[in-house]
This record gives sequence, structure tokens and C-alpha cells, in this order.
Amino acid sequence: KAGVTQTPRYLIKTRGQQVTLSCSPISGHRSVSWYQQTPGQGLQFLFEYFSETQRNKGNFPGRFSGRQFSNSRSEMNVSTLELGDSALYLCASSPGTSYNSPLHFGNGTRLTVT
Amino acid sequence: DQQVKQNSPSLSVQEGRISILNCDYTNSMFDYFLWYKKYPAEGPTFLISISSIKDKNEDGRFTVFLNKSAKHLSLHIVPSQPGDSAVYFCAASGINAGGTSYGKLTFGQGTILTVHP
Repeated sequence: KAGVTQTPRYLIKTRGQQVTLSCSPISGHRSVSWYQQTPGQGLQFLFEYFSETQRNKGNFPGRFSGRQFSNSRSEMNVSTLELGDSALYLCASSPGTSYNSPLHFGNGTRLTVT
Repeated sequence: DQQVKQNSPSLSVQEGRISILNCDYTNSMFDYFLWYKKYPAEGPTFLISISSIKDKNEDGRFTVFLNKSAKHLSLHIVPSQPGDSAVYFCAASGINAGGTSYGKLTFGQGTILTVHP
């Protein structure tokens, strides 16, 4: 079974621009979650989608948004980029029918904002 | 407010010996706990989990112990191998104030494990 795939692996953007990251979950998984990892804050939950609906949301500003398509693939968008948005963005998938199941992570997209 | 804490930033162990990684949590609503391993430039890899109805779960060389009264869990790796050298994250899940916890794990800051040959 193929794992979680994230594209692109690396991105360099300028402050003020917007960016879209993509995630393909494990086949059969209907839940996709997004996380931000920074040296200072560690791994932090952004939001979770299931059947094209956002079911859960972390404490991030509205500049961070996402969506999920009917094939469970998901995209995350960050608008008006700030220097502090430089981070590793991780996507994770799970079957989504219970919160008591492990998340399976992709290798992430490394975003650098200059 | 750090709800999941890994107080040891690093741990060094000799090959063949036991590695014990520790994790403390403060939120009594957490009822599902996981350990992940992370190599540089890769995403976290799930290792083992435990539900709050248990106090021990084993999977090969990995055993997780949960002490609910102390709000403490630990991961034991026996025997340790050089390939186990990585960052280990403890994570927790549970019904939050909003009534849902889907997809949300609260992570500790990680412990760097180095296993020397």
C-alpha cells in the first residue's frame, strides 16, 4: 500500500505571497489532517477533513485554510505569507471513523518564506 | 500550556541495552496515547499506541506503559539497535472541549535517542 504523499517537498516563497500544498492519503483513508512543525512550537495541529468537510480545527489564523476533494485528496492554502510561516507542513491520514486510531504521516513539505 | 511533555531532550544508550523514553501529560481528557519515531527529512512514523483502558502494550521490541494516576507513559525499547537512533515523539488524543478530537494529536517536544554500537 502506498503511503501518504505530499507535494512539493520543498517550496520557497516571498512574504505576502500565497501557497498551496497537496496531500494524497493512503488508499481507503477518508480523513486527512494537517500539522505544522517548527523548532520553537513543535508539531501543532492545523485542521482535519473527512468526506470533504472540516471536522476539527486548531488555533491558527484564518490565513490557513484547507479543502478535501471527493477522492480524499487534500490541499492546504496559506495566504499572505509571513516569515513565521516557515515550517515543515505535514499531512496525515487515517480511516477517520474513530479518533482512537493512529495517524500515518507523509514526509512533509518544507516551506521557506523570505 | 504544554499538555504533553517530554522532559528529556536527549538520551544516549549502548547497543543491546534498554532505552526508556518518558512522557507526562496534564490533560485528564486524554485517553489514547501514541509513540512516533522521526528521522531527519521524513515524517513521523507510528510505532505503538495504548488506550487508557490498558496499562501496557507490546509490539516486538517496543513496549509502552501507561500510569494513569501519575499521568505518565513510557516507551521501552529492548534491545536497542543503532537503527533506533531518531527523534521519538509522544502524542495524546481525547475528546476536547469542542466535543471532537478527530485527527488531532497533541505532541510532546520529542526526545533524541542515540544508540551507540
